[in-house]
Amino acid sequence: TQLLEQSPQFLSIQEGENLTVYCNSSSVFSSLQWYRQEPGEGPVLLVTVVTGGEVKKLKRLTFQFGDARKDSSLHITAAQPGDTGLYLCAGGPSNTGKLIFGQGTTLQVKP
Amino acid sequence: DAGVTQSPTHLIKTRGQQVTLRCSPKSGHDTVSWYQQALGQGPQFIFQYYEEEERQRGNFPDRFSGHQFPNYSSELNVNALLLGDSALYLCASSWGRSSGNTIYFGEGSWLTVV
Repeated sequence: TQLLEQSPQFLSIQEGENLTVYCNSSSVFSSLQWYRQEPGEGPVLLVTVVTGGEVKKLKRLTFQFGDARKDSSLHITAAQPGDTGLYLCAGGPSNTGKLIFGQGTTLQVKP
Repeated sequence: DAGVTQSPTHLIKTRGQQVTLRCSPKSGHDTVSWYQQALGQGPQFIFQYYEEEERQRGNFPDRFSGHQFPNYSSELNVNALLLGDSALYLCASSWGRSSGNTIYFGEGSWLTVV
């Protein structure tokens, strides 16, 4: 059974600080996706990483896929209150359509 | 272009009752998946529908069933509701069945079982 473990589960920081969220598995994934979910809404896709070692940047967010495609990280630089939300990593066996989600990281950025 | 739409947004049911949740996929999408998300947790895959058939299923009992219509819309049915079925039910749509395809989520249906 493929599992994804995220850490930390909760993070409360001050505006302007940097943070990193980790997503780890003992299994290889063909791709990993990162989502952000706000209260009362569905998850919104931020990025998909496909190639081992790949790094993608989305403004102040940097996503990295591990060389062995078993782990990924999300780094936020100079966090802002608007970054507050639940961050989810997800992956799935290719060609099955079944996404496995981590348990999520709840981020609170205080002004 | 409408995204994924779900109805109802909130509902309250009593233990033992049955519930039907509805989903209209994003325009151009032919695949619908359903997820259950407990408070503070990540979504869990229930099942996926493609070409009006259930193609993949997660670890959920037979009380959870679904249907996909010719216009690609879908329903999720849950029978004999338990308190533990209280959760946010998310519908997601994509073009094609691969987990590598970009999927879009609706805002979900909040189910409370009392």
